Amino acid sequence: DTGVSQDPRHKITKRGQNVTFRCDPISEHNRLYWYRQTLGQGPEFLTYFQNEAQLEKSRLLSDRFSAERPKGSFSTLEIQRTEQGDSAMYLCASSLRAVNTEAFFGQGTRLTVV
Amino acid sequence: ILNVEQSPQSLHVQEGDSTNFTCSFPSSNFYALHWYRWETAKSPEALFVMTLNGDEKKKGRISATLNTKEGYSYLYIKGSQPEDSATYLCAHPGNTGKLIFGQGTTLQVKP
Repeated sequence: DTGVSQDPRHKITKRGQNVTFRCDPISEHNRLYWYRQTLGQGPEFLTYFQNEAQLEKSRLLSDRFSAERPKGSFSTLEIQRTEQGDSAMYLCASSLRAVNTEAFFGQGTRLTVV
Repeated sequence: ILNVEQSPQSLHVQEGDSTNFTCSFPSSNFYALHWYRWETAKSPEALFVMTLNGDEKKKGRISATLNTKEGYSYLYIKGSQPEDSATYLCAHPGNTGKLIFGQGTTLQVKP
């Protein structure tokens, strides 16, 4: 297992377009998280899954954002009708269920909305 | 919602200096406290996961302490090196395990 992988690494899109990002977690990890990070800030929680179940979605997240994790394996994060304020680094992480186990991060997808 | 706060926001030190940062978190319903290091162009990597009050963990020149009763953790770097330059993040999971991160402390070590 090579760790958590995210695709694409970089995405430039025009305002109003839809984008989809993919995350492949470490295979035995049942927890999967999505975070968004902007300059000078820590990772902001977006949503997380326990296997295929989406346990929580941030109330700060608009309806334009949706995430799925079919079959409890890889996950996708879709942003519809992108806005310039969506420009950020989108990070995926996975972990085992216990709160005292570390999370492993992918290298992120850098989104730029022009 | 659990609030995690880190200070300072940024720090510039000379090579060889020792330094420390603070992470504050709600002391009620404590489960664990995570520290991560995030180097430029890389993924955040876990340094420590701490669970016991009074616990102290060490990895090379980096160590961390935990006070769950007052809700803070310190990260220490002894004899900073340029390769220690990174953003240091702490995170606090609630009882559901959802990791909430602080805003990070960005350390720059000048040769």
